[in-house]
Amino acid sequence: ETGVTQTPRHLVMGMTNKKSLKCEQHLGHNAMYWYKQSAKKPLELMFVYSLEERVENNSVPSRFSPECPNSSHLFLHLHTLQPEDSALYLCASTPSERETNTGELFFGEGSRLTVL
Amino acid sequence: GQNIDQPTEMTATEGAIVQINCTYQTSGFNGLFWYQQHAGEAPTFLSYNVLDGLEEKGRFSSFLSRSKGYSYLLLKELQMKDSASYLCAVVDSNYQLIWGAGTKLIIKP
Repeated sequence: ETGVTQTPRHLVMGMTNKKSLKCEQHLGHNAMYWYKQSAKKPLELMFVYSLEERVENNSVPSRFSPECPNSSHLFLHLHTLQPEDSALYLCASTPSERETNTGELFFGEGSRLTVL
Repeated sequence: GQNIDQPTEMTATEGAIVQINCTYQTSGFNGLFWYQQHAGEAPTFLSYNVLDGLEEKGRFSSFLSRSKGYSYLLLKELQMKDSASYLCAVVDSNYQLIWGAGTKLIIKP
């Protein structure tokens, strides 16, 4: 059983839909992250939360809206997306907000998003 | 700008040895990671190098040369299950992770 669980694993949505991605970590970590992974491109950091407060937003369009109600849960709310937003969205966690403190990011298996 | 280069795809034979290279140009250096990602699965941590030299962990080894901005991941006695993408990532002077696009490794019988 993975320590970081993401749902749904696959999502197809139209450009006018509103949907949400969910991430839950069972590792007792204090920091959580959203990454975007597109084919043959480097991982793109989207959002960082530490102790439920957003500490970094890497110039992500407002059609992506994160929410972190507690240190175990992270959501990514999606609204009015574009076809180029189709990608694998990965959630990750670390014990603290400094990714490199422990030398390891713990990833979920990702949510494969297709925008029609 | 900051850049991580690694080959897009490599093919190797079961039982053989393969070396996956990673070169980087970053603002500062505070360590280099290798992750493995099987298709449809989460990336998982393989290694972390911050000092020059070779670190061995079973069939996998990772090498770093900071002066050359270069690392490689060496996989020995290849198995079919080693078919995966291998991601290189460098920690810059601001402790931000800079990722490469990954190398897809195909293992043939």
